[in-house]
Amino acid sequence: GAGVSQTPSNKVTEKGKYVELRCDPISGHTALYWYRQSLGQGPEFLIYFQGTGAADDSGLPNDRFFAVRPEGSVSTLKIQRTERGDSAVYLCASSLNSGGLGTDTQYFGPGTRLTVL
Amino acid sequence: DAKTTQPNSMESNEEEPVHLPCNHSTISGTDYIHWYRQLPSQGPEYVIHGLTSNVNNRMASLAIAEDRKSSTLILHRATLRDAAVYYCIRYGGGSNYKLTFGKGTLLTVNP
Repeated sequence: GAGVSQTPSNKVTEKGKYVELRCDPISGHTALYWYRQSLGQGPEFLIYFQGTGAADDSGLPNDRFFAVRPEGSVSTLKIQRTERGDSAVYLCASSLNSGGLGTDTQYFGPGTRLTVL
Repeated sequence: DAKTTQPNSMESNEEEPVHLPCNHSTISGTDYIHWYRQLPSQGPEYVIHGLTSNVNNRMASLAIAEDRKSSTLILHRATLRDAAVYYCIRYGGGSNYKLTFGKGTLLTVNP
């Protein structure tokens, strides 16, 4: 079946602009996650959705970052007033049900490479 | 804090077994050990997970020490397609739903 998809695959923007990154999770997956990966580092957690609600947004670096998942499926990560330091690969993952059991498997998309000039 | 320790890099020859170590000396009783790998220009990919017993699947085997303070991911016959960064992650019960990645081990496979 279809995996997690993310659009666009690449996004180049100028400092100060607004960007939206989209994630289509695997159908039926109630949990959705956003991570950010800088060059040479492992992915870093940003936010977690269980259904439509953000259960944990503690990883969002500041209030320029916001994410929504209005119908419990597709999610959009929104970044306002982009800065050069926001340049990274933004990864989305989904899982069947993150009940904190430790057995849940996360399925990742290919990521969106964001470059802020 | 990834709370796991892995070598920065390892090298193997094609068709030989690879043993990737991971130290997680402060692991709690409810934490599972998960391994993910990330091929170049791709998102991470689940490999295997376990709690106490050794585990096998089509991709790899996971050997967990009796005291659970360390584990080893075993690729039985490395191929060029196995060249990737391998992440060992503690993933626990309760509210520990997020994956905390370290820097992982960069595996190079020589033809």
